[in-house]
Amino acid sequence: EPEVTQTPSHQVTQMGQEVILRCVPISNHLYFYWYRQILGQKVEFLVSFYNNEISEKSEIFDDQFSVERPDGSNFTLKIRSTKLEDSAMYFCASSPRAFAGYTFGSGTRLTVV
Amino acid sequence: SQQGEEDPQALSIQEGENATMNCSYKTSINNLQWYRQNSGRGLVHLILIRSNEREKHSGRLRVTLDTSKKSSSLLITASRAADTASYFCATDGAQKLVFGQGTRLTINP
Repeated sequence: EPEVTQTPSHQVTQMGQEVILRCVPISNHLYFYWYRQILGQKVEFLVSFYNNEISEKSEIFDDQFSVERPDGSNFTLKIRSTKLEDSAMYFCASSPRAFAGYTFGSGTRLTVV
Repeated sequence: SQQGEEDPQALSIQEGENATMNCSYKTSINNLQWYRQNSGRGLVHLILIRSNEREKHSGRLRVTLDTSKKSSSLLITASRAADTASYFCATDGAQKLVFGQGTRLTINP
């Protein structure tokens, strides 16, 4: 069964550093998403991406965040200057069309120290 | 916000029993989806029910949707130890899923 692949599985970074989280969505999917889950809390929407542009973003997704689909297969989330409160599990997801089920990756656990 | 909220927050039952989890939401939706999350892992899509559907089945899963009450339920029949996980409802109304807090289900052998 096709999978969404995320790398790395765990990243530790110093506060103020830039991090790039990587995702390879399912190849024939058209919609891509980033979510995050702070330990013990609900899964929060960050951003959706369709047709090579952001279609929607949440209040969390401020100027410190950016997304890119650089080569038609990878989908990246960049956090420019990490803060302690950015520590969370970050999930990438993709779906084949609007209003369909999502396939989530296994997540990247980001720890900011 | 169209957030889904689950009830109960935690549920512990014996293997073989049925487990029912409920979800309420606030705004109009295109569909409602249920996901499972094993501890520290990714979310797995279980079932999607559209706003014009009232009930859907998939294996041991049964989902109902009542749009007049803005609520949904997930029934897992004949539970197994492997069903131990957190279960989330997620509403889809504007090209994004909005998740509830989840129900932590524990199946005791």
